[in-house]
Amino acid sequence: KQEVTQIPAALSVPEGENLVLNCSFTDSAIYNLQWFRQDPGKGLTSLLLIQSSQREQTSGRLNASLDKSSGRSTLYIAASQPGDSATYLCAVSSNTGKLIFGQGTTLQVKP
Amino acid sequence: EAGVAQSPRYKIIEKRQSVAFWCNPISGHATLYWYQQILGQGPKLLIQFQNNGVVDDSQLPKDRFSAERLKGVDSTLKIQPAKLEDSAVYLCASSFGTTSYNEQFFGPGTRLTVL
Repeated sequence: KQEVTQIPAALSVPEGENLVLNCSFTDSAIYNLQWFRQDPGKGLTSLLLIQSSQREQTSGRLNASLDKSSGRSTLYIAASQPGDSATYLCAVSSNTGKLIFGQGTTLQVKP
Repeated sequence: EAGVAQSPRYKIIEKRQSVAFWCNPISGHATLYWYQQILGQGPKLLIQFQNNGVVDDSQLPKDRFSAERLKGVDSTLKIQPAKLEDSAVYLCASSFGTTSYNEQFFGPGTRLTVL
């Protein structure tokens, strides 16, 4: 049974700092991995999608990497801003498209 | 392009009452998902439709939850009767293709409170 774990559960950093969020999964037979952002009381916004054959994806200040063999992914946020404050969720996709989520990392970026 | 639409946004009911949620996916998206997100946890898949057929409903509490997708477009999720532990955000998502490689797009969710 696939399990997804995110560490840390919460993170507080000063504005401008670079940071890394971690995601690990127990079964390496995934089809893709997605990173999402969730603002309080809102739905999920897709940030990056990494296919199983890819090693990383980049969008602006965000960079996500995937290492299937070790069951790990990281989300790197460069030059963090207060507007980056949110909960970040990673999810892995099974062969049917079902997403299995971690519990999320709540990020606070202080001005 | 319009996103995934859900209604209502909020619902408060008493336990043992019934409730229904509605979802309209992105136009042309064949696959539709309903997820349940309990406070402090990641979303959990309840049911997945591919066009108007069910792909996965293994985690749907079928004694009280039901879902349908009419004509392969809109979908409704119903709970009858509701329990306290059903308090959660119900998220609808859709994807273009029917394979696992397609990105999922989420609606704003319906926050359900059962008193």
